This record gives sequence, structure tokens and C-alpha cells, in this order.
Amino acid sequence: DQQVKQNSPSLSVQEGRISILNCDYTNSMFDYFLWYKKYPAEGPTFLISISSIKDKNEDGRFTVFLNKSAKHLSLHIVPSQPGDSAVYFCATGGATNKLIFGTGTLLAVQP
Amino acid sequence: DTGVSQDPRHKITKRGQNVTFRCDPISEHNRLYWYRQTLGQGPEFLTYFQNEAQLEKSRLLSDRFSAERPKGSFSTLEIQRTEQGDSAMYLCASSSTAGTALNEKLFFGSGTQLSVL
Repeated sequence: DQQVKQNSPSLSVQEGRISILNCDYTNSMFDYFLWYKKYPAEGPTFLISISSIKDKNEDGRFTVFLNKSAKHLSLHIVPSQPGDSAVYFCATGGATNKLIFGTGTLLAVQP
Repeated sequence: DTGVSQDPRHKITKRGQNVTFRCDPISEHNRLYWYRQTLGQGPEFLTYFQNEAQLEKSRLLSDRFSAERPKGSFSTLEIQRTEQGDSAMYLCASSSTAGTALNEKLFFGSGTQLSVL
């Protein structure tokens, strides 16, 4: 069963516009969430995280929003740049020491 | 380079053969994880170590899979009698238990791409 879902396998955005990537989770016990970015032939790299006690965390062009009642989080990238083109995974953990990843969204930022 | 290192980057083998992968974590990290990723999926947890102790194994890890971290530093993942369904990217990651869970982000290696013919 998919505990973390990314329902959009791909997203195409024009350079300079906002990219919004979405993620849904099923277990309300999850208490922290992370976004990872992955380029081809490389391992995922950490991007930004958020604790369940917050509803927003911002780092430069990247902002993660958490809606606990809806069990939904989103990653906003503003402005989008061609170098942001990659696969983005949301991930979560709780009482366990492992991260559970979504299936990923391929973001293509068009110049 | 102080990142997570995996070797080899690519491995092609015939069905039924044994393969072994190596992971060298970031030196000060005491946790080491193995994940597997197939096309169109996110990384799936296989197992993790804290120092030399293997603390958790996923049910994905069949009896043909074994992982070791003998001295709490590098780790090996062995797959015996490989099957075509084992074809995947095997990712190693490490983290430090210093700090809160929120800070325990994983640092991944570039992975080993296994193709079983």
C-alpha cells in the first residue's frame, strides 16, 4: 500500500514561473516530511524539510507547505529555473528510523 | 570527496549468479541504509544499520539478500542466485544520529545499477 503518494508523474513549467509539486500521505502519525531532488544517474539529494508542528518552511526559492488535516504537502519553487529540472520525491518518517518515499514527479522547466 | 561512495556503478550479471555491492558512508555517520529503486518508483527501504548492528530489515529483503557492516564503517549488500526481478538501482545512504529526527536527512550515494539477464 502506498503510504506516500505523488499523483502527478510529470509537470512542465516555463522558466520564471512557479512550480507546484504535490504529495499526499495516509498516516497521521508521520511527523516530519522531506523533499529530495534526483538527477539522472545520481542519488537523491536533500532539498527541504518540515516538521508537523509547522505549516510552512521556506529556503530561498523553495517553500514547503503542510496541511495536516488534509494529509497533504506541497513544494513551491519560485522562480523556476532550467536547472531545477529533475525528479522530486517527497518522503516522510515517523517513529521508525527509515524514510518512506513517494513515486516521484518529473519536473521539466522549459527555457 | 566526503560523500557516500558506492561501487560498482553498474553491474550486469546472469540469472543465478551472486553479486556484491559496496558502500562507503560519510565517515562521521553512524547510520547506513540500503534502498532499492525501480523505474517509476521511489526508493524503497531495504535495511539499515546503526554502527555495526543491523536494526531493521524490510520484508522486501528476501533470504537471498544479506547485508553486513562489520566494523561500523563500510557496508556490503550481497544478492545470491540473482533473478531478473532483482534488476534495480541499489542506493546506499548514511546519516548521523546527532540532532533531531528532522535533521536526520539521508545523504545518498549515486547507486549501483544492477541488470540481471
